[in-house]
Amino acid sequence: GDSVTQMEGPVTLSEEAFLTINCTYTATGYPSLFWYVQYPGEGLQLLLKATKADDKGSNKGFEATYRKETTSFHLEKGSVQVSDSAVYFCALRGYSSASKIIFGSGTRLSIRP
Amino acid sequence: GAVVSQHPSWVICKSGTSVKIECRSLDFQATTMFWYRQFPKQSLMLMATSNEGSKATYEQGVEKDKFLINHASLTLSTLTVTSAHPEDSSFYICSARSGVGNTEAFFGQGTRLTVV
Repeated sequence: GDSVTQMEGPVTLSEEAFLTINCTYTATGYPSLFWYVQYPGEGLQLLLKATKADDKGSNKGFEATYRKETTSFHLEKGSVQVSDSAVYFCALRGYSSASKIIFGSGTRLSIRP
Repeated sequence: GAVVSQHPSWVICKSGTSVKIECRSLDFQATTMFWYRQFPKQSLMLMATSNEGSKATYEQGVEKDKFLINHASLTLSTLTVTSAHPEDSSFYICSARSGVGNTEAFFGQGTRLTVV
């Protein structure tokens, strides 16, 4: 079945460092890909998404490109801030009408001032 | 984006009692709602999918008699944890989608349930 494999955390970086969180997926057909962020004590917020190959999703300085050839959707940010500290989830959803969102295990990111 | 409101944000209950969690779509009609459970420092596990007016579809291993889901209207779904036990303590999150196919799902802020 469909699955998402995500870089294990926790990841600790200094402020203004470059961030990459790896995500690869296994799916039939052409799924949509997402990154969600969960701040402490809160629910999930959609960070960015891409719905077809070579699409680049971007938001708040974060970017991820849908790479079908490598089945990847790595999250990147050029300069992280303390406020970016959160748990990040990579996810996919198939295109069928009954499709559900499948999440990766999550990566906890901590940014040091 | 659309807003999904979940209530309560947190609840503490005694073992053996039942707890109801509400999930509302505030500015759109949610034809499909999803209920997830999240254990500490782990990912979200889908518990069930509900479509308005029909019975929920539960994921393998989820007890439907313990986790009662009702999706009686296009803006409200409820999850009732019956005869709660300490092992039911978890973070429960709902998600709502307005249509079929490739439409975005919006998440509630989650409910932290503690059973003592």
